[in-house]
Amino acid sequence: AQRVTQPEKLLSVFKGAPVELKCNYSYSGSPELFWYVQYSRQRLQLLLRHISRESIKGFTADLNKGETSFHLKKPFAQEEDSAMYYCALSGRDQGGKLIFGQGTELSVKP
Amino acid sequence: EPEVTQTPSHQVTQMGQEVILRCVPISNHLYFYWYRQILGQKVEFLVSFYNNEISEKSEIFDDQFSVERPDGSNFTLKIRSTKLEDSAMYFCASTLVRVLGNQPQHFGDGTRLSIL
Repeated sequence: AQRVTQPEKLLSVFKGAPVELKCNYSYSGSPELFWYVQYSRQRLQLLLRHISRESIKGFTADLNKGETSFHLKKPFAQEEDSAMYYCALSGRDQGGKLIFGQGTELSVKP
Repeated sequence: EPEVTQTPSHQVTQMGQEVILRCVPISNHLYFYWYRQILGQKVEFLVSFYNNEISEKSEIFDDQFSVERPDGSNFTLKIRSTKLEDSAMYFCASTLVRVLGNQPQHFGDGTRLSIL
């Protein structure tokens, strides 16, 4: 079965603290993994994709095929990072459709 | 930066009525998608569309649903006879190429559909 799991519905941290938003996936082929972010009252925006291996807004994510994970990390959280974060998967045999996790709401307190 | 636009932002409809949700994808994009998100649940894939035909659809996308690209710019989702459980946020997305390695899907703001 193709599935993306984000175990935490809500993650609350203080400004400056490290953040890790967990994502695990189940997929039989070679998946492409993404993190999308949705700031309050805004549209879903692509944050990261695993193949580009870049850092956006201080966030990084490494694909661990052994653990089937794609956790999102940031060493020092900022208040403006508060948003909904969605992990998503797509496979080359899936016609480009995205399979989303449940989402994790990140709340960064001052 | 070009955006995917969706109208209306909120649609309220009586159960059993037909509803059409409209999307204008980014102009040079070739692949189009509809997703929905029931309140408190995950974003779910409904249908993908390429070259004027459906390329893939989910179990949710039954005979009550249809999509169309009537004029080369709009991409519509029609629900023929709405049910209470169709209440959700509906997102349109588009991308230039199907393989997402270099081209992300761009999402619209969504249409909130409320069935009474």
